Amino acid sequence: RKEVEQDPGPFNVPEGATVAFNCTYSNSASQSFFWYRQDCRKEPKLLMSVYSSGNEDGRFTAQLNRASQYISLLIRDSKLSDSATYLCVVNYGQNFVFGPGTRLSVLP
Amino acid sequence: ETGVTQSPTHLIKTRGQQVTLRCSSQSGHNTVSWYQQALGQGPQFIFQYYREEENGRGNFPPRFSGLQFPNYSSELNVNALELDDSALYLCASSLAGAEQYFGPGTRLTVT
Repeated sequence: RKEVEQDPGPFNVPEGATVAFNCTYSNSASQSFFWYRQDCRKEPKLLMSVYSSGNEDGRFTAQLNRASQYISLLIRDSKLSDSATYLCVVNYGQNFVFGPGTRLSVLP
Repeated sequence: ETGVTQSPTHLIKTRGQQVTLRCSSQSGHNTVSWYQQALGQGPQFIFQYYREEENGRGNFPPRFSGLQFPNYSSELNVNALELDDSALYLCASSLAGAEQYFGPGTRLTVT
């Protein structure tokens, strides 16, 4: 089993739609969690950290369930500019483990 | 505040050669991590440096080595290049344990 797994995608959604990404991790010692977005042929950019209490940043909401070892990202009112690959990242010790990513295309 | 920079942007090497990639960390950050990203995959952790010492290593062979300098900049060295080493190499800087910020990457092609 891979350390971090994500929905395989791609997700093709119309503008204005709500889309949810799921991520599971295998190492229960994981300490911190993040969502990054990566545009084609660019570097990953931090989207948001994920806290146990859940957190929201504008149209983006992240949730963490430590018991189920599950992380989610919800995007409301999708924009064309949200089209990217979304990477789930789990950290334990010095190791940041990236999932394979889920590609999102928001269509006009 | 200066972000993470990497050089060169692109590089073409021949199998068996050696390569050195460079990274300047973001101002105030003391930790540098290196990743390899093959096309269509997530970044894979190579190693991390903290205060000039290797602080963790992923599943990469010893021909992948690195350095961190007193100003926290870093190098990634790869010896005996193989075709499968063709990838985007990403450097990320952070304060220890905190979120990482990535440079634009070096795209290495091995022929």
